[in-house]
Amino acid sequence: DIVMTQSPDSLAVSLGERATINCKSSQSVLYSSNNKNYLAWYQQKPGQPPKLLIYWASTRESGVPDRFSGSGSGTDFTLTISSLQAEDVAVYYCLQYYSTRFTFGPGTKVDIK
Amino acid sequence: EVQLVESGGGLVQPGGSLRLSCAASGFTFSSYWMSWVRQAPGKGLEWVANIKQDGSEKYDVDSVKGRFTISRDNAKNSLYLQMNSLRAEDTAIYYCARGQAAVGTPKLFDYWGQGTLVTVSS
Repeated sequence: DIVMTQSPDSLAVSLGERATINCKSSQSVLYSSNNKNYLAWYQQKPGQPPKLLIYWASTRESGVPDRFSGSGSGTDFTLTISSLQAEDVAVYYCLQYYSTRFTFGPGTKVDIK
Repeated sequence: EVQLVESGGGLVQPGGSLRLSCAASGFTFSSYWMSWVRQAPGKGLEWVANIKQDGSEKYDVDSVKGRFTISRDNAKNSLYLQMNSLRAEDTAIYYCARGQAAVGTPKLFDYWGQGTLVTVSS
């Protein structure tokens, strides 16, 4: 199975500042046939189910604010929140769906400093 | 509006069984892979199992192999998870999530239910 890791485990950022979360897969999740990375990002707030933010590593889901962006390819990926807002306090998970047996990263908790 | 509503959770003794259900509406259920994802208290997300549109392909995580069975009834727009030989470590919120329209298409888990809590304890 593909193993996903994330760093850091948690971070605290001042309002309006940038937050950066890293995700690494144990093998490439890039499909050569369409040059797409099968990597998604989810946001989960307390007491709520997760919400899809980014798919194909860098495509923002409809309705997601443009301060959220995804980048990376192959095995190394990044989720960036360009200007942290109070409502962005949450746990963020990456997920690989290159394999039909999906795997999540362990999550990164984002708080306000 | 897409809706996924789970039911069937509860308290069960170790070694017992439960059957979870997920009622889907607002989209063509038979056109999508479907999955179960769980979250133990205070822990991260774990994909449990998925099933193809016609039920011909199923995959699950190693920790539930031989104990859990995913199934679906497209006529009833429903997804199921039969859980046998339950263990304390299976205690979690179980979410139903919409999968891809086909393997290789872009979006995965774009809709989730609110989850149903399964507690395995004596």
